[in-house]
Amino acid sequence: RKEVEQDPGPFNVPEGATVAFNCTYSNSASQSFFWYRQDCRKEPKLLMSVYSSGNEDGRFTAQLNRASQYISLLIRDSKLSDSATYLCVSDFNKFYFGSGTKLNVKP
Amino acid sequence: NAGVTQTPKFRILKIGQSMTLQCAQDMNHNYMYWYRQDPGMGLKLIYYSVGAGITDKGEVPNGYNVSRSTTEDFPLRLELAAPSQTSVYFCASSPGPDFEQYFGPGTRLTVT
Repeated sequence: RKEVEQDPGPFNVPEGATVAFNCTYSNSASQSFFWYRQDCRKEPKLLMSVYSSGNEDGRFTAQLNRASQYISLLIRDSKLSDSATYLCVSDFNKFYFGSGTKLNVKP
Repeated sequence: NAGVTQTPKFRILKIGQSMTLQCAQDMNHNYMYWYRQDPGMGLKLIYYSVGAGITDKGEVPNGYNVSRSTTEDFPLRLELAAPSQTSVYFCASSPGPDFEQYFGPGTRLTVT
């Protein structure tokens, strides 16, 4: 079983839409969680950390559900520039990356 | 700050050749990592280091070697290249185990 699993998508949404991604993790002892963004043929970059109480950064909201062992990312008012692959990460001694969810925002 | 730098950006190797992928960071981070990313897949950890002189295996270490003689540098050595090692290789660094990792721009390696 993979440490971190994500729906690969792609999610094709119009500009202005709200889209949500979920990610499940297998190790209940994982302590830290992150969302990274990866543009085509580029390196991953941190989008946001995920805190137990949930956190928001502008149009982006991250949630952690420890009971069901998943994290989520909500993007409101999608922009064309949000088109990318979103990687979720859980950390238990080492970083475990999901395979990524591809988002295409269309005009 | 340059952050994390990697060289070369691209390389084509013949089967059985060897090469070293270079990685350097100027943020004084103790932790450094090597990942590979196959097309459409997530990142898999090859090796990591928690400080100069200390390295450890990740998920997919076979066919690779590393060394960490300084805080700044973490080269990855491929011996006897195989087509299965065709991938994009990313180096990353972080201040500690639960902190954001900063990635270099990657090295695209093709083994034919």
